[in-house]
Amino acid sequence: SAVISQKPSRDICQRGTSLTIQCQVDSQVTMMFWYRQQPGQSLTLIATANQGSEATYESGFVIDKFPISRPNLTFSTLTVSNMSPEDSSIYLCSVPIRGLSDEQFFGPGTRLTVL
Amino acid sequence: AQKITQTQPGMFVQEKEAVTLDCTYDTSDPSYGLFWYKQPSSGEMIFLIYQGSYDQQNATEGRYSLNFQKARKSANLVISASQLGDSAMYFCAMREGIDKLIFGTGTRLQVFP
Repeated sequence: SAVISQKPSRDICQRGTSLTIQCQVDSQVTMMFWYRQQPGQSLTLIATANQGSEATYESGFVIDKFPISRPNLTFSTLTVSNMSPEDSSIYLCSVPIRGLSDEQFFGPGTRLTVL
Repeated sequence: AQKITQTQPGMFVQEKEAVTLDCTYDTSDPSYGLFWYKQPSSGEMIFLIYQGSYDQQNATEGRYSLNFQKARKSANLVISASQLGDSAMYFCAMREGIDKLIFGTGTRLQVFP
């Protein structure tokens, strides 16, 4: 398994500001994923963060709005830029673990409210 | 395109009874993986169980089992001996490509005494 931590666990932000969310894993992993869960909705993939290369964004998400860093194999950040109330969501990072069984673990999430 | 469908927005079950949460999927890729997650009100996503498309036997993890019917493209989660702490949202997900997941809309399970 993997132990994943995220900071902050929650935040309340003002419109127009930016927030950087950190994700730390207790083991080295090649890929890390960032998901968004809007209120009452399912999870949607924002981007895939690979160490040493640019993040790969899904349709509807752009680097200017959600810049991602991946400085090493255990850490990644996601920034939510120029926030609006529509950005109020839970943001989760996840990592795949390949062993006897395929598993994919999630961090505890960051609950963001934008006023 | 790959797709996951959960048709039950909400389910009720009495404590100690078994409950089945439905999940169907659609994919043209012969190699895929199916996951179930539990999301309590705290918001964390708790991994429950995984089934690979080539696995011959249904996956089991404690009180959780996955009823995998490949020809019908279904991967239902069975929770035996329900407990009050099982009340949560449950999401079915499918691995698409290299490890990214697509999720169903979820089923809210409520366990009553």
